[in-house]
Amino acid sequence: GEDVEQSLFLSVREGDSSVINCTYTDSSSTYLYWYKQEPGAGLQLLTYIFSNMDMKQDQRLTVLLNKKDKHLSLRIADTQTGDSAIYFCAERRRGGSYIPTFGRGTSLIVHP
Amino acid sequence: NAGVTQTPKFRILKIGQSMTLQCAQDMNHNYMYWYRQDPGMGLKLIYYSVGAGITDKGEVPNGYNVSRSTTEDFPLRLELAAPSQTSVYFCASSYSIEQFFGPGTRLTVL
Repeated sequence: GEDVEQSLFLSVREGDSSVINCTYTDSSSTYLYWYKQEPGAGLQLLTYIFSNMDMKQDQRLTVLLNKKDKHLSLRIADTQTGDSAIYFCAERRRGGSYIPTFGRGTSLIVHP
Repeated sequence: NAGVTQTPKFRILKIGQSMTLQCAQDMNHNYMYWYRQDPGMGLKLIYYSVGAGITDKGEVPNGYNVSRSTTEDFPLRLELAAPSQTSVYFCASSYSIEQFFGPGTRLTVL
């Protein structure tokens, strides 16, 4: 299977919370990232969490990390139509070239 | 700072033609990367560089070449274009934790 797995689609109503999930396989991951890609654009870092943390909150965004289950989630509170984008989970492993491994991305669709 | 810039934005090639995708960054980053993005497939690493004069293969290097003669520039060369190389190509650079991405080049090979 893939090293980093995400579901491909998520549809939510404007104003609701969105939760995007990701699982990874390497327990030596040091950093875990969420990148956002808007249509026709490159990826932009949304937030990241270091592997010794369980949670990180930044305004409407909450990242939860469960190292035992190798599970990462991104919660977006009060989701807006401007949040419609593709969200990529990525992990960076210890050692080697420190190059992140990306998931396939989750398309978040926000409807009124 | 302009960040990471890529040219061209769009290109259509015929099978067998060659071209160079340009990438430049003005942040003095040591690390630079080339990815391709196919629908529903995420990002696949083609080549990367840890500094001027040093390059290495990623997951999908076949059909591509790179060079890194300066810190700023990291061009990607396609020698004999094939339909399988139809994709969106992203260049990125990094210093430590975060990668910075360019806007992408959409390439179609017919």
